[in-house]
Amino acid sequence: DADVTQTPRNRITKTGKRIMLECSQTKGHDRMYWYRQDPGLGLRLIYYSFDVKDINKGEISDGYSVSRQAQAKFSLSLESAIPNQTALYFCATSDYLGTGSPDTQYFGPGTRLTVL
Amino acid sequence: EDQVTQSPEALRLQEGESSSLNCSYTVSGLRGLFWYRQDPGKGPEFLFTLYSAGEEKEKERLKATLTKKESFLHITAPKPEDSATYLCAVDDSWGKLQFGAGTQVVVTP
Repeated sequence: DADVTQTPRNRITKTGKRIMLECSQTKGHDRMYWYRQDPGLGLRLIYYSFDVKDINKGEISDGYSVSRQAQAKFSLSLESAIPNQTALYFCATSDYLGTGSPDTQYFGPGTRLTVL
Repeated sequence: EDQVTQSPEALRLQEGESSSLNCSYTVSGLRGLFWYRQDPGKGPEFLFTLYSAGEEKEKERLKATLTKKESFLHITAPKPEDSATYLCAVDDSWGKLQFGAGTQVVVTP
């Protein structure tokens, strides 16, 4: 079974609808992240969480919210979807090593979201 | 402003034709530079982490090197299964990665 799973894998919705994307991990990592990927722009950080009680905005958090329900679960919500939120969304996890070296992030398979 | 730039945007190679991808960065206090491979419709797959200038890492036909301003991913004698988008990312603070736009590599038989 995959270590990082995302549901749904594909979603088509309409402008103004509320959407939730879910991420679950079995890696036992404390840190979780949400990114979006657009052609030609690379991956951009939306939100990140270093533990259940710690949630931080990333580079492009406007229009998004998150919930960290447990160590293993991190959800991304679009309160009122708009067409320019059409993108690939990836969840990632990392294990805090505490050595001063950066964590390695491991990615889920992604959710393709289309907002009409 | 911190930036990560990858070049070229796309690369088409014949099987066996070695080449290099470039990742240049302008972040202060680099803690690590990461290379990922991404296949169509899939999430990025971790390849390497480089921590300091002069460091090199190898995996099969891939070799990553790092200087103070850029990193190179060398693909030696590529095979069609090396076709993918290769992403570079830098960690400039605790747990936050900044990604380049990627280089799409196509290797033809």
